Amino acid sequence: AQSVSQHNHHVILSEAASLELGCNYSYGGTVNLFWYVQYPGQHLQLLLKYFSGDPLVKGIKGFEAEFIKSKFSFNLRKPSVQWSDTAEYFCAVSSGGGADGLTFGKGTHLIIQP
Amino acid sequence: ETGVTQSPTHLIKTRGQQVTLRCSSQSGHNTVSWYQQALGQGPQFIFQYYREEENGRGNFPPRFSGLQFPNYSSELNVNALELDDSALYLCASRRERGLNTGELFFGEGSRLTVL
Repeated sequence: AQSVSQHNHHVILSEAASLELGCNYSYGGTVNLFWYVQYPGQHLQLLLKYFSGDPLVKGIKGFEAEFIKSKFSFNLRKPSVQWSDTAEYFCAVSSGGGADGLTFGKGTHLIIQP
Repeated sequence: ETGVTQSPTHLIKTRGQQVTLRCSSQSGHNTVSWYQQALGQGPQFIFQYYREEENGRGNFPPRFSGLQFPNYSSELNVNALELDDSALYLCASRRERGLNTGELFFGEGSRLTVL
């Protein structure tokens, strides 16, 4: 069975600080990796995804993530956060076939202080 | 706005009752999946429907069942409700069956409280 671990449940940063949210997964085979974001009062939406190819993927709103296969990690980064980045962030993995759905981590609640 | 709409947005049931939640998928999307999100947790995969058939299921008991209709809308039914079924239920749709062929679009969810 797959599992996803997000290291920090709550993160508080000041505007313009750099962000890195950790995500590790356990699954030995081919994986697809995702970061989803949920802004206050809104639905879950996709930030970025990795299927294959370049392990450094860029998403919306200046976010990027790096897939490190040897470390089973897919950390999310942003060089300079804004107050509008305050949200819940979820890392998720699928085995690629699609029929088993996404396995999500517990989420990281990010608060950006102005 | 994703185009995935869910109803009702909130509901309260008592233990032992049955509930039906509804989802209208985004136009052109033929695959619908359902997730349960308990408070403070990430979403958990319940099952997926593709062309009106269940083609994937997570670790949920048979009292969680579903339907997909010819217009690709979907229902989630939960029988014999338990207190632990209290959660936000999310519907998500995408264009094709495989997760590597399309982005998953989520609705805003139905919040179920079981008393």
